Amino acid sequence: ETGVTQSPTHLIKTRGQQVTLRCSSQSGHNTVSWYQQALGQGPQFIFQYYREEENGRGNFPPRFSGLQFPNYSSELNVNALELDDSALYLCASSPAGNHYGYTFGSGTRLTVV
Amino acid sequence: SQQGEEDPQALSIQEGENATMNCSYKTSINNLQWYRQNSGRGLVHLILIRSNEREKHSGRLRVTLDTSKKSSSLLITASRAADTASYFCATDDDYGQNFVFGPGTRLSVLP
Repeated sequence: ETGVTQSPTHLIKTRGQQVTLRCSSQSGHNTVSWYQQALGQGPQFIFQYYREEENGRGNFPPRFSGLQFPNYSSELNVNALELDDSALYLCASSPAGNHYGYTFGSGTRLTVV
Repeated sequence: SQQGEEDPQALSIQEGENATMNCSYKTSINNLQWYRQNSGRGLVHLILIRSNEREKHSGRLRVTLDTSKKSSSLLITASRAADTASYFCATDDDYGQNFVFGPGTRLSVLP
């Protein structure tokens, strides 16, 4: 049984560019949540996908968008990058709903310059 | 949306001592979870406690939940240097769909 894998591990982008982050969920998990974690802060909920549909969204602008694929893997896309988007982006998977603990990936460290 | 708030923000203890971290939240919950994060890495799930439970144990970890006070505590007994990490509590949000994390407690266990 594999855990949650995220790619890439590190990324440097220029302000105004677009970025796509990827996440493979743990086997048997059909729910994927994305979080943004700024340095020294707790993770902030971006959105969740369940069976390829968005199932809840945090206080993030529309330039943060996502997808979930039939194999439950997921992408996070961020357009028009801003300096404040620099953070650790975490993907977490779980069985349906939030009645179980999340399994987190190791994250993607995004730096916007 | 509701959010857990951990206390203290930082804690430094000697190896072998017990470490206690607290979490307070604002409105009623279904579940509360505790996670550990080593520096710059992903979060590791420690314990989930449901609203109808008062205490759970896992190895050296003990979690309590007091829904009347809207608070939870995480106790790590006989701490080790490897316990050095940030610890977060997470509560389900207003819609019961997702977990919302607090700012965390940074624990340092000195050898």
